[in-house]
Amino acid sequence: DIQMTQSPSSLSASVRDRVTITCRASRNIGDFLNWYQQKPGRAPNLLIHGASRLQSGVPSRFSGSGSGTDFTLTISSLQPEDFATYYCQQSFTTPLTFGGGTKVEIK
Amino acid sequence: EVQLLESGGNLVQPGGSLRLSCRASGFMFSSHALNWVRQAPGKGLEWVSSISGTGGSTYYADSVKGRFTISKDKSKNILYLQMNSLRAEDTAVYYCARDPTVTPDYFDYWGQGTLVTVSS
Repeated sequence: DIQMTQSPSSLSASVRDRVTITCRASRNIGDFLNWYQQKPGRAPNLLIHGASRLQSGVPSRFSGSGSGTDFTLTISSLQPEDFATYYCQQSFTTPLTFGGGTKVEIK
Repeated sequence: EVQLLESGGNLVQPGGSLRLSCRASGFMFSSHALNWVRQAPGKGLEWVSSISGTGGSTYYADSVKGRFTISKDKSKNILYLQMNSLRAEDTAVYYCARDPTVTPDYFDYWGQGTLVTVSS
């Protein structure tokens, strides 16, 4: 199975900060990497697919980059509604696997 | 508008069985893979199972293989997850999620989830 490791597991940031979350795959997954945002009590919401493709309706302050084993989700200017938990997920092969999550909290 | 509505979650004893349903609408049922993803209380996301657009291929996490069965009724646009030999560690919110393609990939639409609690 492909293991997905996110870092950090949590971070504190202020509104308008630039935030970067990292995801590492245990082996090469090309660009088969996706990012989700989840708020408490809600279902996850797709942000980025194919490592860098912004899902329709997602604000442009979210961006993704990387390929192979190392990937990054960047929020260019954190907004109040962005405080949530973020997950990466590989879709290179089954079993589909998620990272452990990164909780973004208010500083 | 794509909609996914799960039902069937409940409290069940260890060793028991439960069947979850996910009623889908707003898209061509056979043109998309469908998935179950779960989240234990306070924990992260775990992929459970997928079924291809045609229904001809199914996929399972090792943790549920041999105990859970995914299926779909194309005439009713309903996805199912039959869960047998339930364990305490199966306690979670179970989400139904749509794939944009016919084979398992990523999840572009999610239901609201249904809670399964396995406890005596």
